[in-house]
Amino acid sequence: DTGVSQDPRHKITKRGQNVTFRCDPISEHNRLYWYRQTLGQGPEFLTYFQNEAQLEKSRLLSDRFSAERPKGSFSTLEIQRTEQGDSAMYLCASRDRGYGNTEAFFGQGTRLTVV
Amino acid sequence: QKEVEQNSGPLSVPEGAIASLNCTYSDRGSQSFFWYRQYSGKSPELIMSIYSNGDKEDGRFTAQLNKASQYVSLLIRDSQPSDSATYLCAVNYSNYQLIWGAGTKLIIKP
Repeated sequence: DTGVSQDPRHKITKRGQNVTFRCDPISEHNRLYWYRQTLGQGPEFLTYFQNEAQLEKSRLLSDRFSAERPKGSFSTLEIQRTEQGDSAMYLCASRDRGYGNTEAFFGQGTRLTVV
Repeated sequence: QKEVEQNSGPLSVPEGAIASLNCTYSDRGSQSFFWYRQYSGKSPELIMSIYSNGDKEDGRFTAQLNKASQYVSLLIRDSQPSDSATYLCAVNYSNYQLIWGAGTKLIIKP
């Protein structure tokens, strides 16, 4: 399977714990996005990588959220000191190089539940 | 503020009829437009992309783009119960920025 892969698919954690999610994009894609989605809403942008460079991070994102893409391949998203409001589906998407026009492909998502 | 607007629905359509989903966007400089389908609890799946004014057809799906009116639509012909899902419109505003609508929930009634 050469699609976008996310791990884990589901995560239940206690409030205050740290969690880390992983995304493996389509191999030739240099652009990678993290989104958060809650019920009835569209994907909410969290951050964007072009190769290993984090070019944009949402102003809505608190300092508890951090993301890395150390070698321009896989990416991790860490949430520190989780809160119940962090419960959501976390989506990763990748796009091929090319000015703007290429389609984004999503992984299966990681559903986070903070109890 | 760049915005993408969709009617949240639900839009209820009889099986076999044409479903029409609409999306408007705020920035005239947008060049690329995408429709995604999302089943409950699943991630979005690309249906179609459109870049030029006019119609683009792919099987039962037709995307329509009118840049002058800042309007993009998706038509689904011969609607099937399996088409019941939320349809998301996404607009590319820059080299990498994708702005998403909140989605329209479509229900196909057998």
